[in-house]
Amino acid sequence: TQLLEQSPQFLSIQEGENLTVYCNSSSVFSSLQWYRQEPGEGPVLLVTVVTGGEVKKLKRLTFQFGDARKDSSLHITAAQPGDTGLYLCAGVMDAGNMLTFGGGTRLMVKP
Amino acid sequence: NAGVMQNPRHLVRRRGQEARLRCSPMKGHSHVYWYRQLPEEGLKFMVYLQKENIIDESGMPKERFSAEFPKEGPSILRIQQVVRGDSAAYFCASSPSTGVLSGNTIYFGEGSWLTVV
Repeated sequence: TQLLEQSPQFLSIQEGENLTVYCNSSSVFSSLQWYRQEPGEGPVLLVTVVTGGEVKKLKRLTFQFGDARKDSSLHITAAQPGDTGLYLCAGVMDAGNMLTFGGGTRLMVKP
Repeated sequence: NAGVMQNPRHLVRRRGQEARLRCSPMKGHSHVYWYRQLPEEGLKFMVYLQKENIIDESGMPKERFSAEFPKEGPSILRIQQVVRGDSAAYFCASSPSTGVLSGNTIYFGEGSWLTVV
């Protein structure tokens, strides 16, 4: 059982569609981060959220941190083939000093 | 991301050999983290080090695996007597002196891919 559960694990959609990826936990996190990883490369940070209820937007990507700081979501509007990749959420627990990762959501956007 | 340097990028070892993976953190960063990623999975925490100290090794197997971050030089993840199950991508990350708990960003290297044949 993962501390951070991501859903769905796999998602295949057509270009132009919207999608939401979820990251859920029963634990409270002091901050939560979303990464995108391409094959053969390391994770690249997209955003960090630290305040319960916080919403951040990055072009077509909208990130939300749950009020209780236990969950987060990533919404992509009008997905493009360039959005294809592995999306990872990762959190820092209040008592820890390291990132704990979810299992990832593998997104494929077909042209 | 490019500031954290890992080498080798790809390493092939026969069962029973040793693998040494190196990580040079970003300039000015004194915290190093090692993560392992199996195919089609997320990253699993292995060990967290500061200069000359292991702070948390709760994710590292008790046998065959060791890590160090000496006063001078890169951090090294060492795997002795490798087995096929050790085949994975090993990622190093670094953060500034106060670590991620203070809200500092953690930066990842591009990984070292170990294949055990």
